[in-house]
Amino acid sequence: ETGVTQTPRHLVMGMTNKKSLKCEQHLGHNAMYWYKQSAKKPLELMFVYNFKEQTENNSVPSRFSPECPNSSHLFLHLHTLQPEDSALYLCASSHVGETRNTEAFFGQGTRLTVV
Amino acid sequence: EDQVTQSPEALRLQEGESSSLNCSYTVSGLRGLFWYRQDPGKGPEFLFTLYSAGEEKEKERLKATLTKKESFLHITAPKPEDSATYLCAVRSLSTGANNLFFGTGTRLTVIP
Repeated sequence: ETGVTQTPRHLVMGMTNKKSLKCEQHLGHNAMYWYKQSAKKPLELMFVYNFKEQTENNSVPSRFSPECPNSSHLFLHLHTLQPEDSALYLCASSHVGETRNTEAFFGQGTRLTVV
Repeated sequence: EDQVTQSPEALRLQEGESSSLNCSYTVSGLRGLFWYRQDPGKGPEFLFTLYSAGEEKEKERLKATLTKKESFLHITAPKPEDSATYLCAVRSLSTGANNLFFGTGTRLTVIP
């Protein structure tokens, strides 16, 4: 496989459930990201991992918990979500260099519905 | 505070009718302006990166240009398969090296 792969593509979960989103990149990049895309709103950065270390957390509620076991894999653990958390969750990766960072490449996203 | 504004919000074109999409930005220290294409229910697909005013890039029917205040995505003789939402994003000193600050996009529909 090539590029950035996300699973599952669709997820419906109850507010008391615990689930995880998975992302894998095959591009040799050293940075990975979680973005949230809600209807009529710009993409919002949630988490950034550089070289497996979390470098940014944009005030995301603790019911979202990221995990980055290595530079190719990224997870987003979900628990006790709210209906307003329903959105398209996008994973991306890029290469962070000394002088310039590459563009971000995105996966196909996980469409999450919280009921 | 960084701002990215895309216009129009939606655009309908007849097949073959050329037009331009606009991305106006206000950032402190631009470190790159990015164009993406997004089809419904899918992730954004990278199109172009522009780094400095005067730079231009082309790919098939698309051409992206950059000034100090805005970027244009010119679509020449569009086809129905060009229908998608086109997203503009910036990376700046404010956003940091890892963040892309996105606009809300222009939804393009090309009618056969």
